[in-house]
Amino acid sequence: NFMLTQPHSVSESPGKTVTISCTGSSGSIASNYVQWYQQRPGSAPTTVIYEDNQRPSGVPDRFSGSIDSSSNSASLTISGLKTEDEADYYCQSYDGTNWVFGGGTKLTVL
Amino acid sequence: EVQLLESGGGLVQPGGSLRLSCAASGFSFITYAMTWVRQAPGKGLEWVSAVSGSGDTTYYADSVKGRFTISRDNSKNTLYLQMNSLRADDTAIYYCAKLGYKFETSGAGYWGQGSLVTVSS
Repeated sequence: NFMLTQPHSVSESPGKTVTISCTGSSGSIASNYVQWYQQRPGSAPTTVIYEDNQRPSGVPDRFSGSIDSSSNSASLTISGLKTEDEADYYCQSYDGTNWVFGGGTKLTVL
Repeated sequence: EVQLLESGGGLVQPGGSLRLSCAASGFSFITYAMTWVRQAPGKGLEWVSAVSGSGDTTYYADSVKGRFTISRDNSKNTLYLQMNSLRADDTAIYYCAKLGYKFETSGAGYWGQGSLVTVSS
């Protein structure tokens, strides 16, 4: 079964840049779009990146997404970190049959 | 403004049934695929099921196949999830989400606030 692996947690200081990785277990992660969702404590998820690198309206350009075929991974980069960015982040893709989510990464901004 | 409002959650005994609803507004409901995603307490997101805009094509995670049925009433702009033979590990917050035109090539653009389902005796 296709799986997406994320680091359990990352932390960084306000104003800095952080990158969260999402590595596919098999095949080519570039074969299907990757989305990234943000979930703040006690809230529903929201979409911060869709179709690998597209930002929904209202999402600041501090958020960016990319694909690295050589490492079979997707990345979410958040620059100019703010305390409000502290949340869980999930990557999601399609394996040809089902949606697959990564296990989530807890971002701490301290 | 896109709005998704889930309802129908609650406490149910193991083996019981429950039907969730998701009332949609602010977009052309029939045009877009829809999906259900759940989150068990303290756990990550898990995809459950999806349906095409017309309702003709449905998709299920292996964990719910044969027990859950997704459907939609485009005349009422409402998405449903009929859950039968519920088990303790179905306990979760269930979110409905609006997709793009096709389930296979789109992610969730908008999410509801979720409906809590608790399966316990």
